[in-house]
Amino acid sequence: DAGVIQSPRHEVTEMGQEVTLRCKPISGHNSLFWYRQTMMRGLELLIYFNNNVPIDDSGMPEDRFSAKMPNASFSTLKIQPSEPRDSAVYFCASSLQGSGEKLFFGSGTQLSVL
Amino acid sequence: GNSVTQMEGPVTLSEEAFLTINCTYTATGYPSLFWYVQYPGEGLQLLLKATKADDKGSNKGFEATYRKETTSFHLEKGSVQVSDSAVYFCALVRAAGNKLTFGGGTRVLVKP
Repeated sequence: DAGVIQSPRHEVTEMGQEVTLRCKPISGHNSLFWYRQTMMRGLELLIYFNNNVPIDDSGMPEDRFSAKMPNASFSTLKIQPSEPRDSAVYFCASSLQGSGEKLFFGSGTQLSVL
Repeated sequence: GNSVTQMEGPVTLSEEAFLTINCTYTATGYPSLFWYVQYPGEGLQLLLKATKADDKGSNKGFEATYRKETTSFHLEKGSVQVSDSAVYFCALVRAAGNKLTFGGGTRVLVKP
């Protein structure tokens, strides 16, 4: 199994640009989570999906952030426009709903907004 | 609401030393408890878990016991190795829930 695959691994962009982060969950998993990790705030849940449907997006910081899951094998997190304070590592994780919440994390996307 | 509190790091110790990372939680009902580990440059991985009171989770020499009376789930390892250097996260999920609540993480550095 390839695990959760995220791309890109690193992204450097300028303030105001649109950023799109991508995630491919483990095949067969029906829950997908987007997390953000910073030194100041630690690990924050941004949004999660069950069966491609957004269940809880209360962690999305503001309207500049949006997430989609058009099918069971792909999700995107978009920031438009990006700001320097969005610089962080963004993780995608997937699980089998009802599995005891064992999450499988991707390797993350290191985002730097200059 | 649910919350998890961990001791702040970094924790620095020598190889073969005893490691304890304290974790306490607040939750309604009977949550399941987890320890995740994050090695440098990687995502989190499940280390161990316990689903009910007095359960002991164990893996790779690490152990943690679900203590309902003290609402704690402290992580221990009797003899650490340099390869145990990582950030450790305590987490919980409430019964029938799907959303993990993580603690702030504790960085552990093991020196040769």
